[in-house]
Amino acid sequence: QLQLQESGPGLVKPSETLSLSCTVSGGSISSTNYHWDWIRQPPGKGLEWIGSIHYSGRTYYNLSLKSRVTMSVDTSKDQFSLRLSSVTAADTAVYYCAREGAMVRGVHPLANWFDPWGQGTLVTVSS
Amino acid sequence: SSELTQDPTVSVALGQTVRITCQGDSLRTYYASWYQQKPGQAPVLVIYAKDNRPSGIPDRFSGSSSGNTASLTITGAQAEDEADYYCNSRDSSGTHLVFGGGTKLTVL
Repeated sequence: QLQLQESGPGLVKPSETLSLSCTVSGGSISSTNYHWDWIRQPPGKGLEWIGSIHYSGRTYYNLSLKSRVTMSVDTSKDQFSLRLSSVTAADTAVYYCAREGAMVRGVHPLANWFDPWGQGTLVTVSS
Repeated sequence: SSELTQDPTVSVALGQTVRITCQGDSLRTYYASWYQQKPGQAPVLVIYAKDNRPSGIPDRFSGSSSGNTASLTITGAQAEDEADYYCNSRDSSGTHLVFGGGTKLTVL
């Protein structure tokens, strides 16, 4: 059974860089069929997609965060990572990692979904 | 604001049927998926690619789509179905992924 686990500091100072890792167990991150994603949820608010990475290194980022986000993958460790720079209090959230599945017709995507999810890790931005 | 719009709150009597909707222009092209989130827990996929149910999800959960609206239907709602529900799909450009704002379902 595939499992994902986030890890990283729970407290980050304003203007610094948030760094998280997600370790995949029970399966390999090196699958052609999947992307690996980060999603966040500010306290009491809804879900926000941050971005995705394929094991090949191809990335897609939320346009509203693109200038501050970097994602990377380490296939030898079955891990992928998130870096978010210049954080403010607005970046305080529970950060989830998830596997992204997809339905395609030819080369055109029809649907994308997230399953499974990690348990999430709360990152607070505060001095 | 999200490109996918959900009603913030919906309520249903125990044992009755409820439909939770998700609206957006991108849904004319792309299928929606649905997640259930209970307090303090990570979201759980309940429907993917419009109308597919993952293993382990009760068959009272179903999905459908028409025009710019995707729907999650719970037939015979149970007390344990009280939760927040989120839809997701691609944005109107087709390049990025988006979530709806979420619907809080109350089972009366």
